[in-house]
Amino acid sequence: SQTIHQWPATLVQPVGSPLSLECTVEGTSNPNLYWYRQAAGRGLQLLFYSVGIGQISSEVPQNLSASRPQDRQFILSSKKLLLSDSGFYLCAWSSTFMNTEAFFGQGTRLTVV
Amino acid sequence: RKEVEQDPGPFNVPEGATVAFNCTYSNSASQSFFWYRQDCRKEPKLLMSVYSSGNEDGRFTAQLNRASQYISLLIRDSKLSDSATYLCAVNIMGSYKLIFGSGTRLLVRP
Repeated sequence: SQTIHQWPATLVQPVGSPLSLECTVEGTSNPNLYWYRQAAGRGLQLLFYSVGIGQISSEVPQNLSASRPQDRQFILSSKKLLLSDSGFYLCAWSSTFMNTEAFFGQGTRLTVV
Repeated sequence: RKEVEQDPGPFNVPEGATVAFNCTYSNSASQSFFWYRQDCRKEPKLLMSVYSSGNEDGRFTAQLNRASQYISLLIRDSKLSDSATYLCAVNIMGSYKLIFGSGTRLLVRP
């Protein structure tokens, strides 16, 4: 069966520090991968998605970037965090086909102080 | 206008009640539809897909109205454990993007 791992679960970082969140998927090949952010009490905002190695689509201009160095690895990064980057970051995968459901990792709760 | 909209609630209902949520979408090219459940401070989990003809899973019934561009979720015989936020999600035809609504919060009281 497929599993998705995301870490760390919680993170407190100072303003201006870098960020690297990692997500890996097991049990499937060539998944579509997603990064979402959820602000407190809000919905899920799609940040990036990827349909293959090195292929990244950005949905919202922001202080973040994403990379997919391997088929089942998706990384979210920032060079300098802002207070507004605080939130619940969720990685998700879906099958290689279009129009299928997505499955989420356990999320990283990021607080920028 | 948001691509996917939901009434944030909360819907406060007694155990045993029937409750329904709607979710409207703006893009007529939307192709696939899903309902997710999210517990407090947890990741969303897939509750059910929504098929064109409507579908049922136990106490949960999902329906799609393409003409009016909305999907619905009906929960019968509500349980305390149904208390959560329910998110709808929409795929656009020809796209890999999955767009979520902001969620509807349900509180089931004893």
